Amino acid sequence: GAGVSQSPSNKVTEKGKDVELRCDPISGHTALYWYRQSLGQGLEFLIYFQGNSAPDKSGLPSDRFSAERTGGSVSTLTIQRTQQEDSAVYLCASGLGSGETQYFGPGTRLLVL
Amino acid sequence: AQSVTQPDIHITVSEGASLELRCNYSYGATPYLFWYVQSPGQGLQLLLKYFSGDTLVQGIKGFEAEFKRSQSSFNLRKPSVHWSDAAEYFCAINQAGTALIFGKGTTLSVSS
Repeated sequence: GAGVSQSPSNKVTEKGKDVELRCDPISGHTALYWYRQSLGQGLEFLIYFQGNSAPDKSGLPSDRFSAERTGGSVSTLTIQRTQQEDSAVYLCASGLGSGETQYFGPGTRLLVL
Repeated sequence: AQSVTQPDIHITVSEGASLELRCNYSYGATPYLFWYVQSPGQGLQLLLKYFSGDTLVQGIKGFEAEFKRSQSSFNLRKPSVHWSDAAEYFCAINQAGTALIFGKGTTLSVSS
């Protein structure tokens, strides 16, 4: 079946602009995670959605970062007023529930000029 | 603090030779344990996982890993490496309802 998909695959933006990154999880998966992968910091957790529960936002690095999940499916990660240090690969993962295996999408490579 | 350590940043192995990638963790209890592989420009693919039971787990592509509670380790092994195994390997842990905590990764190069 279809895996996790993310769009766009690449995004180049100018410092100060807002960007939206999209994640389509595997159908039926109730858990959805966003991670960021950068050279200096490795793989870092950003935010976690589980069903209709309030999301765990403990990994968001600043209030410029936000995410929503509509209808328990598609999720959008928004970065406002982008900075050069936001340049990274943003990975989305989904799973059947808390503690279950997470399946990753191909990522969105973000470059902030 | 909860953490995962992969001591080897880069390993080079000859094609056909055996491989062992090390992973140690620090956690309050026994976590769930995972190994993921990432090829250049790709997402993370799950190789294998340990939740409970038999401490030797088999994964895809001929990989296996052994959980050793006394050493807080979950090392990944493969008896004979193929050139297509060249990639970056990540060890990760979590518990139910939490995000994954990743190690910094080990880059595997395969020489002919």
